[in-house]
Amino acid sequence: GNSVTQMEGPVTLSEEAFLTINCTYTATGYPSLFWYVQYPGEGLQLLLKATKADDKGSNKGFEATYRKETTSFHLEKGSVQVSDSAVYFCALVANDYKLSFGAGTTVTVRA
Amino acid sequence: KAGVTQTPRYLIKTRGQQVTLSCSPISGHRSVSWYQQTPGQGLQFLFEYFSETQRNKGNFPGRFSGRQFSNSRSEMNVSTLELGDSALYLCASSLAEDRVETQYFGPGTRLLVL
Repeated sequence: GNSVTQMEGPVTLSEEAFLTINCTYTATGYPSLFWYVQYPGEGLQLLLKATKADDKGSNKGFEATYRKETTSFHLEKGSVQVSDSAVYFCALVANDYKLSFGAGTTVTVRA
Repeated sequence: KAGVTQTPRYLIKTRGQQVTLSCSPISGHRSVSWYQQTPGQGLQFLFEYFSETQRNKGNFPGRFSGRQFSNSRSEMNVSTLELGDSALYLCASSLAEDRVETQYFGPGTRLLVL
């Protein structure tokens, strides 16, 4: 079946540090890949997505590139802010309409 | 455009009771999916509805059921509640014009079973 593995947290960073969250996947066919973010007490917000190999998704300074050869979709941000503190989920959807999520990575950014 | 709305936002029930949660999708979206989020199991897919038909179902017992109405609004029901059903229940909607359409989430309903 489809599955997503993302790096375990928690991750603690200082403001303006570089953030990377690793994500790899297993899927049949050609999935679409997503990063969602969840702030405390809220639902999931779509952060970015990529629908085919070599696509780069970007939003709010975050980027991730769909790498089919390494089945990866790592999330990066060059300079984090305190407001980026949240839980980040890597996810995919293949031919079955359902999102398969990674376990989530908690990121805390200190001023 | 209004986002996905879920009601109620918070709910407290006791074991053995049943509960119904409601979800209104983004206008024009025809697919509604439900997910359960718990600290131990993470985010798990419950089921997905499109045009009032269940198209996909996750690995949950029959106590969990859902339906979709002609206006695309959806409800999920959990009967004979157990302590382990305490969770955040998230609803997501999508256009569903193809199988890999982006899903947009509501704020969730937090259910506590005592």
